[in-house]
Amino acid sequence: GAVVSQHPSWVICKSGTSVKIECRSLDFQATTMFWYRQFPKQSLMLMATSNEGSKATYEQGVEKDKFLINHASLTLSTLTVTSAHPEDSSFYICSAPDYNEQFFGPGTRLTVL
Amino acid sequence: RKEVEQDPGPFNVPEGATVAFNCTYSNSASQSFFWYRQDCRKEPKLLMSVYSSGNEDGRFTAQLNRASQYISLLIRDSKLSDSATYLCVVNPGYSSASKIIFGSGTRLSIRP
Repeated sequence: GAVVSQHPSWVICKSGTSVKIECRSLDFQATTMFWYRQFPKQSLMLMATSNEGSKATYEQGVEKDKFLINHASLTLSTLTVTSAHPEDSSFYICSAPDYNEQFFGPGTRLTVL
Repeated sequence: RKEVEQDPGPFNVPEGATVAFNCTYSNSASQSFFWYRQDCRKEPKLLMSVYSSGNEDGRFTAQLNRASQYISLLIRDSKLSDSATYLCVVNPGYSSASKIIFGSGTRLSIRP
């Protein structure tokens, strides 16, 4: 199957800093990618849909100015958590569709101190 | 009402048992249905797609009932390695580029 990578796999940062997470489709092109967040013992919650060459579509309750998404190429989408705070600590996962299946990246575990 | 609902469990069953999960969805126009498996601190991985006619893959059987809007997953002869969270996933659109909806997951623990 198709492969999606994420970088970094984990990051620890101080409160107030910004963190960029990359999501890449390695062997296919993705005009759309999805960003999810998962808190402990909860399911994945869709944050936004990343669209290549246009603005991302954010889910209700997700602040677009706090979670900046850029989808500059057909194989790369980035999520920047700006001015991160401890409550932003979570597991961030991206996915990209290929044919009729969603392929997930391995996730990025963010811890904000 | 949640778009996709699952019994969160946990289900704790002995090795070799048969276990079944159900999932209901609210959008009657939904097009595609899946079961994903997620291990602790890992990304979800596709277990199987769910078709109207029902489908089987080894010890796993998935069924879809469009009239009642529910999906089921049956695991026979459960193994220790089946311990995971099982996510019911619904695609309300016609394209894989449509955003998919996750259920909250059902936790399964297989004991020796």
